[in-house]
Amino acid sequence: NAGVMQNPRHLVRRRGQEARLRCSPMKGHSHVYWYRQLPEEGLKFMVYLQKENIIDESGMPKERFSAEFPKEGPSILRIQQVVRGDSAAYFCASSPQNSGTADTQYFGPGTRLTVL
Amino acid sequence: GENVEQHPSTLSVQEGDSAVIKCTYSDSASNYFPWYKQELGKRPQLIIDIRSNVGEKKDQRIAVTLNKTAKHFSLHITETQPEDSAVYFCAASNTGTYKYIFGTGTRLKVLA
Repeated sequence: NAGVMQNPRHLVRRRGQEARLRCSPMKGHSHVYWYRQLPEEGLKFMVYLQKENIIDESGMPKERFSAEFPKEGPSILRIQQVVRGDSAAYFCASSPQNSGTADTQYFGPGTRLTVL
Repeated sequence: GENVEQHPSTLSVQEGDSAVIKCTYSDSASNYFPWYKQELGKRPQLIIDIRSNVGEKKDQRIAVTLNKTAKHFSLHITETQPEDSAVYFCAASNTGTYKYIFGTGTRLKVLA
């Protein structure tokens, strides 16, 4: 009974490099959400995706950040030309098919990104 | 915009005492309110949730109450134990957007 999986768990990048974070939702879940957590702060919504569709990206910076959830494979959060301010824990969550009510989201273990 | 305020930011209680954490939300369309517990370096884990059609829900030592008129909801932990020490987050969501708006968290310390 695998939960939400994320990899890598820790990622170190130098300024200007690209960071690629992966998330595999729970079995049977088709909705993925990405959140960012800065040290000692709460979780901030970034983007909500369904298979092959971005539903809501209102929390994602317009530049350097992109997300996808292809028909096959994990969801990917990509950060180009990373800066020190991107250092944070990035959590992915998944939920089953939404049926007209807000569903419980189950979180992965997070990817801790450190930008040197 | 949508906002969830959470108080207190830190809370210390003696083992066996009760702990109460309060959240207030701004979006009147919110209809789902989960609570998550996050231990240091770990993932947020759902501990209890409540929907807007009920006023209270209880699960053993944990309970949540919701006041839709005042737009606030609270987490109650009774008979606290050292393993309850963690950061607790409230969140609000609604059917239209599905995304969670989280509170800023409460660091709970249960003193043995």
